[in-house]
Amino acid sequence: DTAVSQTPKYLVTQMGNDKSIKCEQNLGHDTMYWYKQDSKKFLKIMFSYNNKELIINETVPNRFSPKSPDKAHLNLHINSLELGDSAVYFCASRGGYPAKNIQYFGAGTRLSVL
Amino acid sequence: DQQVKQNSPSLSVQEGRISILNCDYTNSMFDYFLWYKKYPAEGPTFLISISSIKDKNEDGRFTVFLNKSAKHLSLHIVPSQPGDSAVYFCAASAGDNYGQNFVFGPGTRLSVLP
Repeated sequence: DTAVSQTPKYLVTQMGNDKSIKCEQNLGHDTMYWYKQDSKKFLKIMFSYNNKELIINETVPNRFSPKSPDKAHLNLHINSLELGDSAVYFCASRGGYPAKNIQYFGAGTRLSVL
Repeated sequence: DQQVKQNSPSLSVQEGRISILNCDYTNSMFDYFLWYKKYPAEGPTFLISISSIKDKNEDGRFTVFLNKSAKHLSLHIVPSQPGDSAVYFCAASAGDNYGQNFVFGPGTRLSVLP
């Protein structure tokens, strides 16, 4: 029973397409995140939501739009995909006490833009 | 502008010996530090953490040491086992609120040789 699940696991698409990645957590956490792991392997935060409200919005092109229909879901929609969007995208969630600083990650979505 | 650095991209250790993974940070506002472990095709999983009010935290074979004056932390694994072979990420955060941001290092790939 996966705590944080992302779909799809792999996504291969052409430049200019629009695609979505879905994330769901069954941990009852209030806070969810999207990270991008680039070619240099850095995990960089993109967005954070708390109870469906956008909390963190790092310098990300506005082609990326997160959507949180409820606190268990945080989806990522990407418009007009570019070659530089190729990366692994990780969803994560974080809960309250006593483990309020611990994030739980999904398995990642490997996006390849051709 | 890397706020969290892991200067060793890789480390090889013999089974049974000690593994020492290092992490340096630049932001003096960081007050909580975590280590995550990542296997291929999986998301990072939490390993151990330390608050800035401590200088050591131990959990079984894993010990994290924090030297605030040097802005340096290290993860010790004793004894190292082949199953410990993975990429280890150091992460840091500042503050205690829902907008808490976590900054990750680029990771160190540990190989434990049988």
